[in-house]
Amino acid sequence: QKEVEQDPGPLSVPEGAIVSLNCTYSNSAFQYFMWYRQYSRKGPELLMYTYSSGNKEDGRFTAQVDKSSKYISLFIRDSQPSDSATYLCAMSGYMEYGNKLVFGAGTILRVKS
Amino acid sequence: EADIYQTPRYLVIGTGKKITLECSQTMGHDKMYWYQQDPGMELHLIHYSYGVNSTEKGDLSSESTVSRIRTEHFPLTLESARPSHTSQYLCASRVAYEQYFGPGTRLTVT
Repeated sequence: QKEVEQDPGPLSVPEGAIVSLNCTYSNSAFQYFMWYRQYSRKGPELLMYTYSSGNKEDGRFTAQVDKSSKYISLFIRDSQPSDSATYLCAMSGYMEYGNKLVFGAGTILRVKS
Repeated sequence: EADIYQTPRYLVIGTGKKITLECSQTMGHDKMYWYQQDPGMELHLIHYSYGVNSTEKGDLSSESTVSRIRTEHFPLTLESARPSHTSQYLCASRVAYEQYFGPGTRLTVT
């Protein structure tokens, strides 16, 4: 079983929709949770990171972490065609201990105008 | 935006050739990483370094080698390329909880 599971999609939505992207994980030691956006033929770009449980908001993006359910989400409000990309979740134990990021396989998002 | 660079961006090479993929960053980060990424698959860590003269193998078995002689430079070398090495190679560096990626090198071995 993979440590991090992510639905590969593709997820296709109309412009302006609210998008929900999700990951589940099995390792209860994970404390740091990140979301990356990757455009075709580019490297991943860090969108948001959160520590432990809770919500974090940045513009149209909201990240949620539910450690009790081992479930994280990224919400995109008012989605735009420019949001079309692959979204990768990543997580790690305490980074002070040299833990490395574990990535999901990514969800392909397509926002249609 | 992170200043991390990879060259070449695209490379097509024949079987048996020796190749070096370059990665450099200007941020002074100690921690650097090499990942392999195939379409629809998660990133696999193949090498990492926590500073000058420090290199470790990652989770994915790889026939490549790396060196870290300078903080800003972390090249990856394949001594004898094979078609099974065809993939995208991503370099990354990290400070605290933020990990930044380069644009990647897409390698095709014919």
